[in-house]
Amino acid sequence: QVQLVQSGADVKKPGASVKVSCKTSGDTFSNYEINWVRQATGQGLEWMGWMNPNSGNTGYAQKFQGRVTMTRDTPTRTAYMELRSLRSDDTAVYYCARSGEMGFDSWGQGTLVTVSS
Amino acid sequence: SFELTQPPSVSVSPGQTARITCSGDALSGQFVYWYQQKSGQAPIVVIYKDTKRPPGILERFSGSTSGRTVTLTISGVQAEDEADYYCHSSDSSGTWVFGGGTKLTVL
Repeated sequence: QVQLVQSGADVKKPGASVKVSCKTSGDTFSNYEINWVRQATGQGLEWMGWMNPNSGNTGYAQKFQGRVTMTRDTPTRTAYMELRSLRSDDTAVYYCARSGEMGFDSWGQGTLVTVSS
Repeated sequence: SFELTQPPSVSVSPGQTARITCSGDALSGQFVYWYQQKSGQAPIVVIYKDTKRPPGILERFSGSTSGRTVTLTISGVQAEDEADYYCHSSDSSGTWVFGGGTKLTVL
């Protein structure tokens, strides 16, 4: 059974950066892409980008180009998402999700990032 | 840019059939996935590749497609089906997009 466990909630000031981790277990880390999706309170799901854990290749939504970086640490089976130059409208729950044949079939529990002065 | 359009809300009485549509210019030829998200929880897949149901998803959930519109149908709606539902697809460049979400209310 695949499990994705994310880091805990974080509070940042405007202009700062945040790095959220997503530790995987239960399946081969390199076999599936890891995606990041965020959701502001009361709003819909917003796809941010993907990372291939095997190659390290990434693809980002145009909205986040230049502000987001997705990386991985293969020995610990952990994926990371760093978002820079934070603004108040970046306040959201951030999810990692594995993409497989059945779509985004496994999700982390979500990490609340609050941006506030 | 690639967009998916869903109705903001759908309301049905228990036992009735709920239909949630998702439309987009780029949908023809691309697979669509449907997710159910209950309050405070991460989404789960209820339909993948337009019409397939993952293990453990009840038979009352089904998907269909017609040109640039896909439909999630929930037959015999139960109170526990009340949730937000999102369609999800990708374009040819590998960019993923979610629909805006539909709130299903069971009256």
